[in-house]
Amino acid sequence: KQEVTQIPAALSVPEGENLVLNCSFTDSAIYNLQWFRQDPGKGLTSLLLIQSSQREQTSGRLNASLDKSSGRSTLYIAASQPGDSATYLCAVYNTDKLIFGTGTRLQVFP
Amino acid sequence: GAGVSQTPSNKVTEKGKYVELRCDPISGHTALYWYRQSLGQGPEFLIYFQGTGAADDSGLPNDRFFAVRPEGSVSTLKIQRTERGDSAVYLCASSLLAGAVEQFFGPGTRLTVL
Repeated sequence: KQEVTQIPAALSVPEGENLVLNCSFTDSAIYNLQWFRQDPGKGLTSLLLIQSSQREQTSGRLNASLDKSSGRSTLYIAASQPGDSATYLCAVYNTDKLIFGTGTRLQVFP
Repeated sequence: GAGVSQTPSNKVTEKGKYVELRCDPISGHTALYWYRQSLGQGPEFLIYFQGTGAADDSGLPNDRFFAVRPEGSVSTLKIQRTERGDSAVYLCASSLLAGAVEQFFGPGTRLTVL
């Protein structure tokens, strides 16, 4: 059974720091992997989708990498801003459905 | 519409009552998914539809939960004899096709069972 773990569970940093959020999964036979952002009381906003044949994806200050063989993905956030404060969720595609981690709650203070 | 919409945004009900939660997917998306997110947890899969049929309902917790998508677009998640443990945010997502294709999420319905 696929399990997804995210470390750390919570992170509080001053503005401007570069951050790394970690995601690990137990079954390397995944299709794609997706990172989401969730603001309090809101739905999920897709940040990056990495296809199984890719090693990384970039969007603005965000970069996500995927290493299927080791069962890991990292989300790198450059020059963090207070507006980045949210919960970040990693999810792997298990055929047709997403298996989510429990998220990393990020707070960036001015 | 431009995105996935869900109604109501909030639903408060009493234990034992019946509730219906609605999802309007992105126009033209053939696959529709329901997830449930408890406080402090990641979303958990409930059921997904390919067209009008439920292709995988393995995540439904018990027979009090049922979902339909009669015309292949709008879907309704139905919960009978609600229990306090059903309190959660119910998220709907849609994708253009079934398979490991990017899913787009709605804002969710927050269900509170008193």
